[in-house]
Amino acid sequence: EDKVVQSPLSLVVHEGDTVTLNCSYEVTNFRSLLWYKQEKKAPTFLFMLTSSGIEKKSGRLSSILDKKELFSILNITATQTGDSAVYLCAVPTGANSKLTFGKGITLSVRP
Amino acid sequence: GAVVSQHPSRVICKSGTSVKIECRSLDFQATTMFWYRQFPKKSLMLMATSNEGSKATYEQGVEKDKFLINHASLTLSTLTVTSAHPEDSSFYICSVKPPPNEKLFFGSGTQLSVL
Repeated sequence: EDKVVQSPLSLVVHEGDTVTLNCSYEVTNFRSLLWYKQEKKAPTFLFMLTSSGIEKKSGRLSSILDKKELFSILNITATQTGDSAVYLCAVPTGANSKLTFGKGITLSVRP
Repeated sequence: GAVVSQHPSRVICKSGTSVKIECRSLDFQATTMFWYRQFPKKSLMLMATSNEGSKATYEQGVEKDKFLINHASLTLSTLTVTSAHPEDSSFYICSVKPPPNEKLFFGSGTQLSVL
């Protein structure tokens, strides 16, 4: 059975801290891994990773994939209160590439 | 990215009534749309894949007679929760996946509360 596991499930930090969010997976026919940020409503796309070892970066956020060890990390540097959200990791699985999501990591950034 | 419009954003209904949720792909023709459900503090769970012009594909454990999906055009899919009960209260969200890759783009979601 395809699995996506995120850790920790929740995290509380102070503004300015750096955080690392983890996502491990077990899927057949791996193609890509996606990160989303969910605040109150719809998840918004952050990154899609397909190749090992190539860091993707967007401002204070960055992510990297390790296809040998089957995991990805999402880093956020100099956190701000606006980074408070649930961060979801997902992997396409099955014939129609439906996305299987992890349970999400709830990040709270305190002022 | 794709623009997805979902309506209504919030609905409160009495037990036993049916509720229809609409999902529109505004800037590309979606032959496939995905319907997810999310309980508080839980992750997104795929309910069904909506296929334009044919029957939806439901995930294991999802009652097709309870959650009716219609995808009559390339820009509109609807999810009808029939004879809703309090346990159907949840956040329902649709998504599309424009080619060429596997990024999903989501509607704004519908919070259903059944009294």
